[in-house]
Amino acid sequence: DAGVTQSPTHLIKTRGQQVTLRCSPKSGHDTVSWYQQALGQGPQFIFQYYEEEERQRGNFPDRFSGHQFPNYSSELNVNALLLGDSALYLCASSFYGTGAFNYGYTFGSGTRLTVV
Amino acid sequence: ILNVEQSPQSLHVQEGDSTNFTCSFPSSNFYALHWYRWETAKSPEALFVMTLNGDEKKKGRISATLNTKEGYSYLYIKGSQPEDSATYLCAPKNAGNMLTFGGGTRLMVKP
Repeated sequence: DAGVTQSPTHLIKTRGQQVTLRCSPKSGHDTVSWYQQALGQGPQFIFQYYEEEERQRGNFPDRFSGHQFPNYSSELNVNALLLGDSALYLCASSFYGTGAFNYGYTFGSGTRLTVV
Repeated sequence: ILNVEQSPQSLHVQEGDSTNFTCSFPSSNFYALHWYRWETAKSPEALFVMTLNGDEKKKGRISATLNTKEGYSYLYIKGSQPEDSATYLCAPKNAGNMLTFGGGTRLMVKP
């Protein structure tokens, strides 16, 4: 049973560029959440997608946007990259609905983004 | 935005030692608390999901307790082994399925 798949694993971009990160959720999951983990901190919630809509958003600027596709996979887009966007970006999948409350999320291994 | 505190930030123990660490979170509007173990170069792995005040969960040598009235949870590891070395993260969950992570406790177990 495939878990959460993220691509690419590593990425180097220049300030001002745009980047797209991709996530395929665990089979049977329909909800995708994105997190940013800066060095020495816990993961920070960016947003969550369910039924192809953004359902919740953390304290991140509009430069961060996302999308969810009919097959539940998701993309995270970051525009006008800043040096401070350098971080590990984690994708987590889960399922929405009754009974989901007692289940943990399944995380991918992350995409390490370096902005130079 | 919730304020979630984990202590200590890091911990070095000898193999065989038992250890515990704390997660503190706002007690109002509590829905659930998640614990994750994150080994280096791997994905965070769910350990426990706790919802009720007084909950106790156990998985092998690892157990956790929950106090929702005062807003804290303890994670215990009995007889630590080198393979327990990891960062342990707690995250309360809100009504909308959002997890807010603490900074984590980094555990290193020396053989």
